[in-house]
Amino acid sequence: NAGVTQTPKFQVLKTGQSMTLQCAQDMNHEYMSWYRQDPGMGLRLIHYSVGAGITDQGEVPNGYNVSRSTTEDFPLRLLSAAPSQTSVYFCASRRQGAKWSYEQYFGPGTRLTVT
Amino acid sequence: GIQVEQSPPDLILQEGANSTLRCNFSDSVNNLQWFHQNPWGQLINLFYIPSGTKQNGRLSATTVATERYSLLYISSSQTTDSGVYFCAVEGRETSGSRLTFGEGTQLTVNP
Repeated sequence: NAGVTQTPKFQVLKTGQSMTLQCAQDMNHEYMSWYRQDPGMGLRLIHYSVGAGITDQGEVPNGYNVSRSTTEDFPLRLLSAAPSQTSVYFCASRRQGAKWSYEQYFGPGTRLTVT
Repeated sequence: GIQVEQSPPDLILQEGANSTLRCNFSDSVNNLQWFHQNPWGQLINLFYIPSGTKQNGRLSATTVATERYSLLYISSSQTTDSGVYFCAVEGRETSGSRLTFGEGTQLTVNP
């Protein structure tokens, strides 16, 4: 059981380039989320999904797209990278519903630099 | 949305000392988690504790949900305890999996 995995671990982009950050979980969790962490701050929610085919915006969604075609995968797309998107990105997942624990499990993060 | 405040923002200890970190939140919660972010940026899940008390070795946590606060206790601190400690909550009225993080407590343990 690998838990939540993220690739790549590190990435450097030039302004205007596009890329996709990958996130996968093997725990059959219905809920998945993307967070970003800027220096000296806590994590902030970008987008989240409550199941395959269903996504919604979080606190800081601008400049990012997501889709959820399977339960396991939740990729985050940067269509045109900007220096303000330099950050560390974390993916998380948890089970759905009150009868399960609400505990969230986090991946190891992707450190992105946009020059 | 729900607000999370952590205190103190910074804490410097000598190895072997004890400490208490506090997290206040503004509304009822389904989830409260404590994380340790080590100097390499790794986010380590310490406790899932929406209410009650838990202990794990030298660390323990207590959440008093009715009074909307949680405490993280670190006893006999070690240099490896250094890093940032985050409290994160999910409000009862929140849809989906939406954790709100505090700004963290930066802990430095000196040898």
